[in-house]
Amino acid sequence: EVQLVESGGALVKPGESLRLSCAASGFTFSTYSMNWVRQAPGKGLEWVSFITSSSRYLYFADSVKGRFIVSRDNARNSLYLQMNSLRVEDTAVYYCARAQGELELLNWGQGTLVTVSS
Amino acid sequence: SYELTQPLSVSVALGQTARITCGGNNIGSKNVHWYQQKPGQAPVLVIYRDTNRPSGIPERFSGSNSGNTATLTISRAQVGDEADYYCQVWDSSTVVFGGGTKLTVL
Repeated sequence: EVQLVESGGALVKPGESLRLSCAASGFTFSTYSMNWVRQAPGKGLEWVSFITSSSRYLYFADSVKGRFIVSRDNARNSLYLQMNSLRVEDTAVYYCARAQGELELLNWGQGTLVTVSS
Repeated sequence: SYELTQPLSVSVALGQTARITCGGNNIGSKNVHWYQQKPGQAPVLVIYRDTNRPSGIPERFSGSNSGNTATLTISRAQVGDEADYYCQVWDSSTVVFGGGTKLTVL
Protein backbone atom coordinates (compact mmCIF):
# COMPACT_ATOMS: atom_id res chain seq x y z
CA GLU A 1 0.00 0.00 0.00
CA VAL A 2 1.32 3.41 -0.97
CA GLN A 3 1.81 5.71 2.00
CA LEU A 4 2.98 9.30 2.16
CA VAL A 5 3.40 10.81 5.61
CA GLU A 6 4.23 14.49 6.01
CA SER A 7 5.76 15.96 9.13
CA GLY A 8 7.40 19.12 10.36
CA GLY A 9 4.48 21.50 10.37
CA ALA A 10 4.49 24.07 13.16
CA LEU A 11 3.59 27.59 14.28
CA VAL A 12 6.35 29.99 13.28
CA LYS A 13 6.80 33.75 13.07
CA PRO A 14 7.11 35.72 9.83
CA GLY A 15 10.64 35.61 8.48
CA GLU A 16 11.48 32.30 10.14
CA SER A 17 12.33 29.01 8.44
CA LEU A 18 10.84 25.53 8.58
CA ARG A 19 11.63 22.19 6.97
CA LEU A 20 8.90 19.76 6.02
CA SER A 21 9.47 16.06 5.40
CA CYS A 22 7.49 13.44 3.55
CA ALA A 23 8.21 9.77 4.22
CA ALA A 24 7.24 7.46 1.37
CA SER A 25 6.56 3.73 1.42
CA GLY A 26 4.81 1.08 -0.64
CA PHE A 27 6.38 2.01 -3.98
CA THR A 28 9.79 2.50 -5.55
CA PHE A 29 10.29 6.09 -4.46
CA SER A 30 13.40 6.64 -6.56
CA THR A 31 11.48 6.21 -9.81
CA TYR A 32 8.74 8.80 -9.27
CA SER A 33 8.57 12.55 -9.49
CA MET A 34 7.10 14.22 -6.44
CA ASN A 35 5.21 17.42 -5.69
CA TRP A 36 4.33 19.70 -2.81
CA VAL A 37 0.82 21.18 -2.88
CA ARG A 38 -0.65 23.48 -0.25
CA GLN A 39 -4.10 24.58 0.79
CA ALA A 40 -4.71 27.72 2.82
CA PRO A 41 -7.61 27.54 5.31
CA GLY A 42 -10.90 27.54 3.42
CA LYS A 43 -9.16 27.96 0.05
CA GLY A 44 -8.37 25.84 -2.98
CA LEU A 45 -5.35 23.77 -3.89
CA GLU A 46 -2.15 25.60 -4.80
CA TRP A 47 0.81 23.80 -6.33
CA VAL A 48 4.13 24.65 -4.66
CA SER A 49 6.95 22.59 -6.12
CA PHE A 50 7.94 19.65 -8.32
CA ILE A 51 11.06 17.48 -8.31
CA THR A 52 11.96 14.74 -10.75
CA SER A 53 13.00 11.28 -9.60
CA SER A 54 16.71 12.04 -9.93
CA SER A 55 16.42 15.63 -8.67
CA ARG A 56 17.59 16.80 -12.07
CA TYR A 57 14.66 19.16 -12.57
CA LEU A 58 13.12 21.36 -9.90
CA TYR A 59 10.19 23.70 -10.46
CA PHE A 60 8.50 26.17 -8.15
CA ALA A 61 5.41 28.33 -8.07
CA ASP A 62 6.17 32.03 -8.49
CA SER A 63 4.79 32.65 -5.00
CA VAL A 64 7.60 30.64 -3.37
CA LYS A 65 10.41 30.93 -5.89
CA GLY A 66 13.64 32.05 -4.22
CA ARG A 67 12.34 31.23 -0.72
CA PHE A 68 11.54 27.50 -0.85
CA ILE A 69 13.88 24.65 -1.74
CA VAL A 70 12.76 21.14 -2.61
CA SER A 71 15.01 18.11 -2.26
CA ARG A 72 14.81 14.37 -1.87
CA ASP A 73 16.86 11.50 -0.48
CA ASN A 74 16.08 8.40 -2.51
CA ALA A 75 18.09 6.22 -0.14
CA ARG A 76 15.82 7.30 2.71
CA ASN A 77 12.61 7.37 0.62
CA SER A 78 12.07 10.93 1.72
CA LEU A 79 11.04 14.26 0.21
CA TYR A 80 11.76 17.61 1.81
CA LEU A 81 10.64 21.21 1.56
CA GLN A 82 12.88 23.85 3.07
CA MET A 83 10.82 26.98 3.60
CA ASN A 84 12.69 30.21 4.27
CA SER A 85 11.54 33.79 4.84
CA LEU A 86 8.07 32.56 5.70
CA ARG A 87 5.14 34.92 5.27
CA VAL A 88 1.67 35.00 6.79
CA GLU A 89 0.29 34.00 3.38
CA ASP A 90 2.29 30.75 3.50
CA THR A 91 -0.09 29.50 6.18
CA ALA A 92 -1.61 26.29 4.82
CA VAL A 93 -1.81 22.55 5.00
CA TYR A 94 1.09 21.19 2.95
CA TYR A 95 0.64 17.93 1.08
CA CYS A 96 3.23 15.81 -0.67
CA ALA A 97 1.94 13.95 -3.71
CA ARG A 98 3.32 11.30 -6.04
CA ALA A 99 3.16 12.11 -9.72
CA GLN A 100 2.90 9.72 -12.61
CA GLY A 101 2.39 9.77 -16.36
CA GLU A 102 1.11 13.17 -17.43
CA LEU A 103 1.70 14.71 -14.03
CA GLU A 104 -1.46 13.38 -12.49
CA LEU A 105 -1.08 13.27 -8.69
CA LEU A 106 -1.99 9.70 -7.93
CA ASN A 107 -1.27 9.55 -4.21
CA TRP A 108 -1.38 12.21 -1.52
CA GLY A 109 -0.30 12.36 2.10
CA GLN A 110 -2.62 13.50 4.89
CA GLY A 111 -0.93 16.90 5.07
CA THR A 112 0.93 18.90 7.71
CA LEU A 113 -0.18 22.32 8.94
CA VAL A 114 2.13 25.30 8.75
CA THR A 115 0.97 28.44 10.54
CA VAL A 116 2.87 31.68 10.10
CA SER A 117 1.81 34.29 12.61
CA SER A 118 3.37 36.87 14.86
CA SER B 1 0.42 31.85 -16.93
CA TYR B 2 -2.24 29.31 -17.78
CA GLU B 3 -5.55 29.61 -15.98
CA LEU B 4 -8.32 27.11 -15.32
CA THR B 5 -11.84 28.34 -14.59
CA GLN B 6 -14.39 26.32 -12.65
CA PRO B 7 -17.85 27.27 -11.37
CA LEU B 8 -17.87 27.92 -7.64
CA SER B 9 -20.75 25.55 -7.05
CA VAL B 10 -22.90 22.96 -8.76
CA SER B 11 -26.06 21.39 -7.39
CA VAL B 12 -27.61 18.09 -8.46
CA ALA B 13 -30.65 16.14 -7.37
CA LEU B 14 -30.04 12.78 -5.78
CA GLY B 15 -29.71 10.14 -8.48
CA GLN B 16 -29.32 12.64 -11.31
CA THR B 17 -26.26 13.59 -13.37
CA ALA B 18 -23.84 16.32 -12.31
CA ARG B 19 -21.50 18.03 -14.73
CA ILE B 20 -18.58 20.13 -13.54
CA THR B 21 -16.74 22.17 -16.13
CA CYS B 22 -13.16 23.36 -16.32
CA GLY B 23 -12.37 26.07 -18.82
CA GLY B 24 -8.98 26.92 -20.26
CA ASN B 25 -7.48 28.20 -23.48
CA ASN B 26 -7.36 25.23 -25.87
CA ILE B 27 -7.58 22.88 -22.89
CA GLY B 28 -8.52 20.11 -25.32
CA SER B 29 -4.84 19.90 -26.28
CA LYS B 30 -3.82 19.14 -22.69
CA ASN B 31 -4.24 16.21 -20.33
CA VAL B 32 -6.77 17.09 -17.64
CA HIS B 33 -6.97 15.43 -14.26
CA TRP B 34 -9.73 15.69 -11.66
CA TYR B 35 -9.62 15.40 -7.87
CA GLN B 36 -12.28 14.98 -5.25
CA GLN B 37 -11.71 16.45 -1.80
CA LYS B 38 -14.04 15.90 1.12
CA PRO B 39 -13.84 18.11 4.25
CA GLY B 40 -10.79 17.42 6.37
CA GLN B 41 -9.37 14.93 3.89
CA ALA B 42 -6.62 14.91 1.29
CA PRO B 43 -7.60 15.12 -2.39
CA VAL B 44 -8.25 11.91 -4.28
CA LEU B 45 -7.62 11.47 -8.00
CA VAL B 46 -10.89 10.48 -9.69
CA ILE B 47 -10.12 11.03 -13.39
CA TYR B 48 -6.72 11.25 -15.10
CA ARG B 49 -5.73 12.08 -18.67
CA ASP B 50 -9.20 13.33 -19.52
CA THR B 51 -11.14 10.08 -19.36
CA ASN B 52 -9.38 7.46 -17.25
CA ARG B 53 -10.49 6.23 -13.83
CA PRO B 54 -7.97 5.03 -11.23
CA SER B 55 -8.73 1.68 -9.67
CA GLY B 56 -11.39 1.93 -7.00
CA ILE B 57 -13.19 4.92 -8.57
CA PRO B 58 -16.79 4.06 -9.52
CA GLU B 59 -17.81 3.94 -13.17
CA ARG B 60 -20.29 6.71 -12.36
CA PHE B 61 -17.35 9.12 -12.69
CA SER B 62 -16.34 10.01 -16.24
CA GLY B 63 -14.54 12.79 -18.04
CA SER B 64 -14.30 14.49 -21.39
CA ASN B 65 -12.15 17.21 -22.87
CA SER B 66 -12.50 19.20 -26.06
CA GLY B 67 -11.93 22.71 -27.30
CA ASN B 68 -11.82 25.10 -24.39
CA THR B 69 -13.72 22.97 -21.87
CA ALA B 70 -13.10 19.81 -19.91
CA THR B 71 -15.99 18.21 -18.07
CA LEU B 72 -16.27 15.86 -15.12
CA THR B 73 -19.55 13.95 -15.18
CA ILE B 74 -20.96 12.18 -12.15
CA SER B 75 -23.90 9.91 -12.98
CA ARG B 76 -26.50 8.77 -10.45
CA ALA B 77 -25.20 11.25 -7.91
CA GLN B 78 -25.08 10.11 -4.32
CA VAL B 79 -24.88 11.99 -1.04
CA GLY B 80 -21.37 10.61 -0.67
CA ASP B 81 -20.32 12.50 -3.82
CA GLU B 82 -20.71 15.84 -2.04
CA ALA B 83 -17.24 17.34 -2.09
CA ASP B 84 -14.99 19.91 -3.69
CA TYR B 85 -13.73 18.99 -7.13
CA TYR B 86 -10.58 20.38 -8.76
CA CYS B 87 -9.31 20.11 -12.31
CA GLN B 88 -5.57 20.17 -13.00
CA VAL B 89 -3.18 20.35 -15.94
CA TRP B 90 0.56 20.54 -16.46
CA ASP B 91 1.62 23.66 -18.36
CA SER B 92 5.02 25.26 -18.90
CA SER B 93 6.68 23.26 -16.13
CA THR B 94 4.00 24.09 -13.59
CA VAL B 95 1.07 22.23 -12.12
CA VAL B 96 -2.07 24.33 -12.52
CA PHE B 97 -5.25 23.76 -10.51
CA GLY B 98 -8.66 25.17 -11.13
CA GLY B 99 -10.25 27.14 -8.32
CA GLY B 100 -12.48 24.24 -7.30
CA THR B 101 -16.20 23.49 -7.47
CA LYS B 102 -18.36 22.58 -4.51
CA LEU B 103 -20.83 19.87 -5.45
CA THR B 104 -24.06 19.73 -3.47
CA VAL B 105 -26.41 16.76 -3.78
CA LEU B 106 -29.97 17.80 -3.00
